[in-house]
Amino acid sequence: SQQGEEDPQALSIQEGENATMNCSYKTSINNLQWYRQNSGRGLVHLILIRSNEREKHSGRLRVTLDTSKKSSSLLITASRAADTASYFCAPLPRGGKLIFGQGTELSVKP
Amino acid sequence: NAGVTQTPKFQVLKTGQSMTLQCAQDMNHNSMYWYRQDPGMGLRLIYYSASEGTTDKGEVPNGYNVSRLNKREFSLRLESAAPSQTSVYFCASSDMWGTDTQYFGPGTRLTVL
Repeated sequence: SQQGEEDPQALSIQEGENATMNCSYKTSINNLQWYRQNSGRGLVHLILIRSNEREKHSGRLRVTLDTSKKSSSLLITASRAADTASYFCAPLPRGGKLIFGQGTELSVKP
Repeated sequence: NAGVTQTPKFQVLKTGQSMTLQCAQDMNHNSMYWYRQDPGMGLRLIYYSASEGTTDKGEVPNGYNVSRLNKREFSLRLESAAPSQTSVYFCASSDMWGTDTQYFGPGTRLTVL
């Protein structure tokens, strides 16, 4: 069973808009990571948030973590066409391995 | 610094044929992983190696074998390919078992006819 489940499965927005993707998981975690995958490529790590952190920023990315609700969100502000990709959350369960969700497919239209 | 490299990039096999997918990393990472990615299924862990000399099964190990040849190289072998193994295969590495960022290779697209 997959630990990370992203929502929505697909998201289409206009350039300049913000994109929000959500992730839910099932057990206690050490950290939660977000990755991006461009079409036909491998995954690229974007950001890691530890279980004792509530929010983290990196450039136009903002990640939040609510361990009481077992959920995380990734916000991309002022999106660009180059942000078009699939985005995966990967919670790291305590004592376990990173498990990737099915991803959110983001399309940013110019 | 090439990061994680995989060969080949593409491969077509007939049912029953065997092949080995190669993976190498130049980041001196201890841990290496093999995943498969299928439409609608996300990434699923096939095998992993927490450190040189150790390997363990992941979520979907059936039909596969692995070898951690040395710290740099981790290969995935299909002994008798089946159409259900048609997929994109990714190798990844990290510098601490399960606790750190994973770095992915570009993938191998495998079709089994």
